[in-house]
Amino acid sequence: QKEVEQNSGPLSVPEGAIASLNCTYSDRGSQSFFWYRQYSGKSPELIMFIYSNGDKEDGRFTAQLNKASQYVSLLIRDSQPSDSATYLCAVSTGRRALTFGSGTRLQVQP
Amino acid sequence: DGGITQSPKYLFRKEGQNVTLSCEQNLNHDAMYWYRQDPGQGLRLIYYSQIVNDFQKGDIAEGYSVSREKKESFPLTVTSAQKNPTAFYLCASTEAGGRETQYFGPGTRLLVL
Repeated sequence: QKEVEQNSGPLSVPEGAIASLNCTYSDRGSQSFFWYRQYSGKSPELIMFIYSNGDKEDGRFTAQLNKASQYVSLLIRDSQPSDSATYLCAVSTGRRALTFGSGTRLQVQP
Repeated sequence: DGGITQSPKYLFRKEGQNVTLSCEQNLNHDAMYWYRQDPGQGLRLIYYSQIVNDFQKGDIAEGYSVSREKKESFPLTVTSAQKNPTAFYLCASTEAGGRETQYFGPGTRLLVL
């Protein structure tokens, strides 16, 4: 079992719709959870981080964390073509570096 | 402006050659990291350093070496022992190891001639 799992996609949504990206993790000691966006050929850029159970909202983005289910998600409201990218879920146990999932490719159709 | 710089943007390696990738940060971050990314894959940890003059192996350290002589700098050498070096290499840093957010440099793409 991979430590951090994501559906590779592509996830295709129409412009203006809500995109829902999901991630599961195996280490119950995980403390911090991050979502990065990566455009093709570029380095990852931080979208959001979340530490506590529940929802965290930042503009069009909402991160959701459920530690009991070992599940973290990212919702993108009013999706735009510029949101088309690969979204990487990353998890930290606080002991060393982040562990990344392989990413979900999102395509927003105009 | 504060940030992380990596050079070169593209690097070509001949068989049997060692090459060094540069990573510099002026964020005053304590911890620095090297990741490798293969096409369609996530990031895999090569080495990390949480303090000057100390570093630890990550998940795929074989064929790589690092040094951390200065807080600002964490160069990665891809040695001839790394038989499949073609990948996108990403350097990151954070204020302290673990919980804090990692910020990434622009990356170096390594290609084998």
